[in-house]
Amino acid sequence: EAQVTQNPRYLITVTGKKLTVTCSQNMNHEYMSWYRQDPGLGLRQIYYSMNVEVTDKGDVPEGYKVSRKEKRNFPLILESPSPNQTSLYFCASSLLLPQGWRTDTQYFGPGTRLTVL
Amino acid sequence: SQKIEQNSEALNIQEGKTATLTCNYTNYSPAYLQWYRQDPGRGPVFLLLIRENEKEKRKERLKVTFDTTLKQSLFHITASQPADSATYLCALPGGAGNMLTFGGGTRLMVKP
Repeated sequence: EAQVTQNPRYLITVTGKKLTVTCSQNMNHEYMSWYRQDPGLGLRQIYYSMNVEVTDKGDVPEGYKVSRKEKRNFPLILESPSPNQTSLYFCASSLLLPQGWRTDTQYFGPGTRLTVL
Repeated sequence: SQKIEQNSEALNIQEGKTATLTCNYTNYSPAYLQWYRQDPGRGPVFLLLIRENEKEKRKERLKVTFDTTLKQSLFHITASQPADSATYLCALPGGAGNMLTFGGGTRLMVKP
């Protein structure tokens, strides 16, 4: 089954304790991205990657890191989490259209609900 | 700056009626526009994509229009059902690189 998986689904942590949220897709998609969703602010893109070893900042990258060492995996790293990073996080993936720079339909993971105390 | 607006107020309609949701955008010239459905606590699910040279697209009970002059897309669900209750998001490519920017979504409630 084609899918995007995220782990963990729920996480409660404390300020400053490094954490990683994993994301994996089995559709051989070039493009992967991370979003956070907050009430009243909608979905905002954190980072995206157009292929292995190619990553770039989205709208709200501060406090986050990503890596893309393999095509299927795109982990989100919070080196020193703070309470304002409490949010619902989604990973997404898609093909890149032949035009190269335009993404196709995005497939979203189930979400990770993070609480930073 | 680029901006996408969807009605933040919930839309309440009776089962069987047609629901119409609006997506307006400014400072964009998107090559396409997408609509997604999101259920509470779940990731968005792609519904339809309409390109700039298409006026209308249909999929089962769904219909999307795209008016690049008005900078607006309308999303219609005909013969609505309580199972259609969800938040509907529009999304456009734009911004730096390959970013896909989402509107804030409109919550649809279909009452039996």
